[in-house]
Amino acid sequence: DAKTTQPPSMDCAEGRAANLPCNHSTISGNEYVYWYRQIHSQGPQYIIHGLKNNETNEMASLIITEDRKSSTLILPHATLRDTAVYYCIVRVPILIKAAGNKLTFGGGTRVLVKP
Amino acid sequence: GAVVSQHPSWVICKSGTSVKIECRSLDFQATTMFWYRQFPKQSLMLMATSNEGSKATYEQGVEKDKFLINHASLTLSTLTVTSAHPEDSSFYICSARPRGLNEQFFGPGTRLTVL
Repeated sequence: DAKTTQPPSMDCAEGRAANLPCNHSTISGNEYVYWYRQIHSQGPQYIIHGLKNNETNEMASLIITEDRKSSTLILPHATLRDTAVYYCIVRVPILIKAAGNKLTFGGGTRVLVKP
Repeated sequence: GAVVSQHPSWVICKSGTSVKIECRSLDFQATTMFWYRQFPKQSLMLMATSNEGSKATYEQGVEKDKFLINHASLTLSTLTVTSAHPEDSSFYICSARPRGLNEQFFGPGTRLTVL
């Protein structure tokens, strides 16, 4: 799986949009970009994933650059409950590649939402 | 939907004893379950992957005789830490992948403290 690079930490103001960058310059054509977050002392929570088109769900939006070498997770209106470590992971989905079971977590970005 | 539970949520034990942690998928059948370990201020590290009815696949450096994994049914996997020592104290998290889906859903984690 391609390696990802994320800033170690960032602060954002409550009610404002939080834009979390992720670099994955070695991503291959069949690898998806996944985002998870982990609130303190809890298990990770799936947020969103995408291949090359921008994606949006009730939690966030995912913007993937045209060359797919980077992406941005957008939390449109950050709340205090969004304080967490956010992980960007690139991988081949299991249904395509049998060995694509694994999720390899990097350091993530520690996001602190401030009032 | 897609809820994963773990029991217990925390456990304290004496050095040399064995501890069993259960991971259950409550509303779906999990063909694959994963066990992770997370030390304070560090990222999740995959320990092993288990498929229902077959032996677990352990990551490099994880002792299979110390961390016994049983995936006896499509909704239950157990991790037994045998002869636990203080260095085994950690946050243990399981995840489960539903049949036919790419996503993994995580349990809330179990905090193990070995005295």
